[in-house]
Amino acid sequence: DTGVSQDPRHKITKRGQNVTFRCDPISEHNRLYWYRQTLGQGPEFLTYFQNEAQLEKSRLLSDRFSAERPKGSFSTLEIQRTEQGDSAMYLCASSPRLAENSYNEQFFGPGTRLTVL
Amino acid sequence: SQQGEEDPQALSIQEGENATMNCSYKTSINNLQWYRQNSGRGLVHLILIRSNEREKHSGRLRVTLDTSKKSSSLLITASRAADTASYFCATEGGSEKLVFGKGTKLTVNP
Repeated sequence: DTGVSQDPRHKITKRGQNVTFRCDPISEHNRLYWYRQTLGQGPEFLTYFQNEAQLEKSRLLSDRFSAERPKGSFSTLEIQRTEQGDSAMYLCASSPRLAENSYNEQFFGPGTRLTVL
Repeated sequence: SQQGEEDPQALSIQEGENATMNCSYKTSINNLQWYRQNSGRGLVHLILIRSNEREKHSGRLRVTLDTSKKSSSLLITASRAADTASYFCATEGGSEKLVFGKGTKLTVNP
């Protein structure tokens, strides 16, 4: 499967614990995005990378959240001291290098569903 | 924050009927995209329409865009049970990120 993969698919944790999610984008896609989706809502942007550089962060990304893409390939999203309000589906997407006048179609992974008890 | 709203929030039709979903947004855009999400799964890109386009087709999908009204519609013709899913519009305004609406939940009954 050459699509975007995410690991784990499900994570149950207790409040106060730290969790880390991984995203492997489609190879050669230089842009990688993280979104969060709560029940009944559309995905909300968290952050995105171009290669290893984190170029934009949403206000939703509090100090407890950190994302990295150290070698410009896979990315990790860590949540420290989890809260019940962090329970959501965390989606990763990637897109290829944009040629001039091309547009940003994003390819999504299956998501990691986080439940904080 | 969500960019806009899809309408209706839920739609139930019979197989073979057409399904129309509408999306409104608030700010200027470079393009608008429609995605499908099966229950509990990731999103699948369906179609992209640029801000200078008014209509686009892809198979059984037809998308329109009215930038003066800041609205778009997605028409699925001859629906199938496999079309049952949530459909989201997403706008891109030049900042790379997509801004999604809340989605329309479509149920196609066999």
